Amino acid sequence: EAQVTQNPRYLITVTGKKLTVTCSQNMNHEYMSWYRQDPGLGLRQIYYSMNVEVTDKGDVPEGYKVSRKEKRNFPLILESPSPNQTSLYFCASNPTAMNTEAFFGQGTRLTVV
Amino acid sequence: QKEVEQDPGPLSVPEGAIVSLNCTYSNSAFQYFMWYRQYSRKGPELLMYTYSSGNKEDGRFTAQVDKSSKYISLFIRDSQPSDSATYLCAMSYTNAGKSTFGDGTTLTVKP
Repeated sequence: EAQVTQNPRYLITVTGKKLTVTCSQNMNHEYMSWYRQDPGLGLRQIYYSMNVEVTDKGDVPEGYKVSRKEKRNFPLILESPSPNQTSLYFCASNPTAMNTEAFFGQGTRLTVV
Repeated sequence: QKEVEQDPGPLSVPEGAIVSLNCTYSNSAFQYFMWYRQYSRKGPELLMYTYSSGNKEDGRFTAQVDKSSKYISLFIRDSQPSDSATYLCAMSYTNAGKSTFGDGTTLTVKP
């Protein structure tokens, strides 16, 4: 079954404690993205990757890092989380550069206290 | 001003109604237009996408793009309670790897 798997689904952490949200896809897609979804602000792209070792900033990259060492994995790293990073996060993979057929993971609800 | 503005809703209709969901945008470089459906506590799933202006139909769903007016719509015919969800429009341009999403419209179809 084609899928994008994120872990963990829920996470509560404290300010400043480094964390990583993992994302893995089994569709051999070259393109992957991270989004955050906030009420009233919609879905905003944080980072995206066009292939292994190729990443670029989206609209809201501040406070986040990503890496793409393998095609299937695209972890999101928060080096020093702050309360304003409390949000619902989605990873997505896409077979095209035009981002027209994104497959989304189930989401990670992060709370930073 | 946001690049993509979506009718905020929420929208509540009786079963069988025709639903119209709409987005406007300001960036004339957008060429690909997508509609996603998101059920509560789930990730968005792609309904359909169109390239440039025109219509595209898939079952009860029709996507319409008017680039001259920078306006896109999704029509749902014979709406069903299972269509109750949040609908997100999204747009991208060639080879950018980036998408811009609307805020979403929450639809409830009452039996």
